[in-house]
Amino acid sequence: GQNIDQPTEMTATEGAIVQINCTYQTSGFNGLFWYQQHAGEAPTFLSYNVLDGLEEKGRFSSFLSRSKGYSYLLLKELQMKDSASYLCAVRVYGQNFVFGPGTRLSVLP
Amino acid sequence: DTGVSQNPRHKITKRGQNVTFRCDPISEHNRLYWYRQTLGQGPEFLTYFQNEAQLEKSRLLSDRFSAERPKGSFSTLEIQRTEQGDSAMYLCASSADGSNQPQHFGDGTRLSIL
Repeated sequence: GQNIDQPTEMTATEGAIVQINCTYQTSGFNGLFWYQQHAGEAPTFLSYNVLDGLEEKGRFSSFLSRSKGYSYLLLKELQMKDSASYLCAVRVYGQNFVFGPGTRLSVLP
Repeated sequence: DTGVSQNPRHKITKRGQNVTFRCDPISEHNRLYWYRQTLGQGPEFLTYFQNEAQLEKSRLLSDRFSAERPKGSFSTLEIQRTEQGDSAMYLCASSADGSNQPQHFGDGTRLSIL
């Protein structure tokens, strides 16, 4: 089966750092993607990991440990516009993607 | 890059009617995906095309759902004999070849069944 877990909701303060965790158990692994989705809008791509370690992209970083089935998305210097849902998605063998339920992040002033 | 385009943006219909949605992917993308998303959940995979070939289809997808991509460009998703449970956002995404290529999503079609 395919299972991806993320916390349902998180709250953080403007200017702070927040870490959103994702754990997965999937039949195959061919990369992990993070997407941002504002309410009522389409998901937009943030980051990609296929090897263990940290990928940094401006204020956003993503980490992967394949042996632990674990990833996190790190957001630094939080801004109000970062309030959104963050989706963890695993590309399983073939071209199928399995998405987690998403973490709704609220950034408070 | 004009992005992924989906039509219509909203569809309201009575239970039992048939509906069809259209997706125009980014022109150079060979891969096209359909997802369904309900409030507070992540996108749920429905089906995947590589060019005009439908390579994968979710086992959760009933026989009332069918998708086509006849010329390897735009795609349509049809739902026959709609039910209340079909109410959702239907998202289309496309990507280039390559396992590291991300999906680019359209704005979706929101289906409401009365």
